[in-house]
Amino acid sequence: EAGVAQSPRYKIIEKRQSVAFWCNPISGHATLYWYQQILGQGPKLLIQFQNNGVVDDSQLPKDRFSAERLKGVDSTLKIQPAKLEDSAVYLCASSTQRWGERDTRNTEAFFGQGTRLTVV
Amino acid sequence: DQQVKQNSPSLSVQEGRISILNCDYTNSMFDYFLWYKKYPAEGPTFLISISSIKDKNEDGRFTVFLNKSAKHLSLHIVPSQPGDSAVYFCAASDTNAGKSTFGDGTTLTVKP
Repeated sequence: EAGVAQSPRYKIIEKRQSVAFWCNPISGHATLYWYQQILGQGPKLLIQFQNNGVVDDSQLPKDRFSAERLKGVDSTLKIQPAKLEDSAVYLCASSTQRWGERDTRNTEAFFGQGTRLTVV
Repeated sequence: DQQVKQNSPSLSVQEGRISILNCDYTNSMFDYFLWYKKYPAEGPTFLISISSIKDKNEDGRFTVFLNKSAKHLSLHIVPSQPGDSAVYFCAASDTNAGKSTFGDGTTLTVKP
């Protein structure tokens, strides 16, 4: 079974530039997550999709960050314009979990390798 | 307000001994808890989980204990092996709200 694919692995940009990250989840996984992991901290959820709908984007800085999951499969996360404090690893994850459904079975998330973003 | 806390940033143990990693949470709505392991330059990988209706779950060398009244969980690794050296993240989920939260991790070093 292929894992979660992310690209690029590394990206260096100047502040105020824009950047986009791509994620291809595991086939058949309904839920897709984007996390931001700053050095020394745990992953922080940015946005969570179930199929192509947004479940939670409460911690997404919407003035500069945007994400979409067209057709409920691949997803892109964009930052425009980037700030120095956006330097982090951006992790994509997917799971079979369906949130908010009766008798939903809790399952783990499968993570990609992440994209390390450096803003200079 | 950090809802999931791992108060020990690092832990060092001798090979063959027990490793105990701790995690505290504040949100009483959390009903599912997971531990992930992370090696450098890789994404976290799932290790073990526990539902709030249980107080213990065991998988080989790994056991997770949940104390709901204390809002505390711990991961026991027995016996510890050098390959267990990694960062361990505790995560908690509120299934009804669809929210999951990670702690900041504990770096485990197992010395040969």
